[in-house]
Amino acid sequence: DVKVTQSSRYLVKRTGEKVFLECVQDMDHENMFWYRQDPGLGLRLIYFSYDVKMKEKGDIPEGYSVSREKKERFSLILESASTNQTSMYLCASRAYNEQFFGPGTRLTVL
Amino acid sequence: DAKTTQPTSMDCAEGRAANLPCNHSTISGNEYVYWYRQIHSQGPQYIIHGLKNNETNEMASLIITEDRKSSTLILPHATLRDTAVYYCIVRPAAGGTSYGKLTFGQGTILTVHP
Repeated sequence: DVKVTQSSRYLVKRTGEKVFLECVQDMDHENMFWYRQDPGLGLRLIYFSYDVKMKEKGDIPEGYSVSREKKERFSLILESASTNQTSMYLCASRAYNEQFFGPGTRLTVL
Repeated sequence: DAKTTQPTSMDCAEGRAANLPCNHSTISGNEYVYWYRQIHSQGPQYIIHGLKNNETNEMASLIITEDRKSSTLILPHATLRDTAVYYCIVRPAAGGTSYGKLTFGQGTILTVHP
């Protein structure tokens, strides 16, 4: 079974902190994605990566950056966390026709 | 990506078929119809996808109209564990510059009752 794991299920940070959200997949997929999910807004794509060290902005990249140093790992970085980044963050990796999602990280920024 | 329209919520009795509709009237010729679902507190899960022919797998069936402007996801014997938000998504086949990006709408909240 494909496994996508995320470093934390729940995270609480303070405004201004630098936050790292880690995602690891075990199926050698080239494409990986970071989404955030908010009530009433659905899932929105933040960034995606189509290969190691390659990345592209999604629909809402502002306030975020990403890192893909190894194929299996895709990190989402909040350089200076703000309260409006309180959300559920979902990572996914893609086989040809299917995206596999991790369990999500619920981030609260106080 | 083409926009989709789904009902906000639907109910279904356990053991009955759940038929979830989706309108995608602006779908273009190279776009597939995908369905995902999200059970509470979990990440979305792939269900099925199709281009123009009807498709069936162990989870569900997908019926696409001949003009491809709408589709229906069918869960043949709904169980309580099928209670979830169901997302209908249209996008080009993976490859090229799309890299398989998915654009999720609001989805349909399906509640299966005992």
